[in-house]
Amino acid sequence: NAGVTQTPKFQVLKTGQSMTLQCAQDMNHEYMSWYRQDPGMGLRLIHYSVGAGITDQGEVPNGYNVSRSTTEDFPLRLLSAAPSQTSVYFCASSPNRGAVYEQYFGPGTRLTVT
Amino acid sequence: AQSVTQPDIHITVSEGASLELRCNYSYGATPYLFWYVQSPGQGLQLLLKYFSGDTLVQGIKGFEAEFKRSQSSFNLRKPSVHWSDAAEYFCAVGLPNFGNEKLTFGTGTRLTIIP
Repeated sequence: NAGVTQTPKFQVLKTGQSMTLQCAQDMNHEYMSWYRQDPGMGLRLIHYSVGAGITDQGEVPNGYNVSRSTTEDFPLRLLSAAPSQTSVYFCASSPNRGAVYEQYFGPGTRLTVT
Repeated sequence: AQSVTQPDIHITVSEGASLELRCNYSYGATPYLFWYVQSPGQGLQLLLKYFSGDTLVQGIKGFEAEFKRSQSSFNLRKPSVHWSDAAEYFCAVGLPNFGNEKLTFGTGTRLTIIP
């Protein structure tokens, strides 16, 4: 199994541009989530999904959209990038709601917005 | 509101020495407690977890953690560190409520190992 994969690894955007961060898992996990990691702030939950077709907001959802059309994929869309969205983004998955805290993380995407 | 605090931003330990990383939480009831480790340039990996029962839990890589209800703490320990333990360590708290499963992470403790 490849586990949780994320693309791209690095990205530089200009203010106002849009882009999609890709996340895929091959473990048939029901639960997927997106976090951002900023220095001194730990990880903060952006959006999560408990299954295909179901998404919900986390702690810091503004400026981001998600969809979950398949079990495997959970892309994160930045609608109009802002410098405040410069961060490292992690996607994570869990087998099911009963094990939602036992999360498997991808390697991350480092995003810089200029 | 639920919160988790890691008071030490950076700790330096000699290889072979013992280690204790501190974690305190603030919540009305006992939450679920976790320690994750992040190696440089990598995602996070679950080290260990506490849901209920025995207050001393064992994890991977020789780590253990002790839940102390009276101190609202869940400190991570290792008797003898190895150079490969250099990483950032995150304590995390989860609400024991079905339908509201969200992890709250501490700000992390960076561990440096010196020869």
